[in-house]
Amino acid sequence: DTGVSQDPRHKITKRGQNVTFRCDPISEHNRLYWYRQTLGQGPEFLTYFQNEAQLEKSRLLSDRFSAERPKGSFSTLEIQRTEQGDSAMYLCASSFSTDYGYTFGSGTRLTVV
Amino acid sequence: QKEVEQDPGPLSVPEGAIVSLNCTYSNSAFQYFMWYRQYSRKGPELLMYTYSSGNKEDGRFTAQVDKSSKYISLFIRDSQPSDSATYLCAMSVRDDKIIFGKGTRLHILP
Repeated sequence: DTGVSQDPRHKITKRGQNVTFRCDPISEHNRLYWYRQTLGQGPEFLTYFQNEAQLEKSRLLSDRFSAERPKGSFSTLEIQRTEQGDSAMYLCASSFSTDYGYTFGSGTRLTVV
Repeated sequence: QKEVEQDPGPLSVPEGAIVSLNCTYSNSAFQYFMWYRQYSRKGPELLMYTYSSGNKEDGRFTAQVDKSSKYISLFIRDSQPSDSATYLCAMSVRDDKIIFGKGTRLHILP
């Protein structure tokens, strides 16, 4: 296990379409986080899981966004009815609850046209 | 006022210089303080973290936290062209959700 893996790396979609991203964390990490980063900004928190439980969601995570981590391993982030404002880098990170600092993946870059 | 303020730069310094990067914050409940480095088209990578106030050194990097002033710093000694990246300060109240600054773009000139 070499790190946090995100798929796809890039996604171009038309406005109004649904998209789903996948994150595979480091296998022994029980926490998983989703962040969004736009150009010139730092990552913004979206949501996080401890094992399969979703413990916190940002108000940035509108009704069009849903995240799951069904078996406490990989996670998916779905965006329904995409809008141009959803264009961003979506970053996944993982950690072990008694450690500190996250390990980030390389992100999925979403472009909505 | 944003919770974490960071000058976006860019900051250009000659190779070998000492670099000083800073952030201020408004939430006095923050206890965990971190610095991440992010290269273009990559995810952030953790450089340093400290708990509460004080200094921490790791090789060419020194992190300082002054909770009384709500001010954190990262110093890079003997800067190298490979240090050119965006540096993100980050902090949290508990060891879970992290709040990031905007990031400072740093260019080390050979």
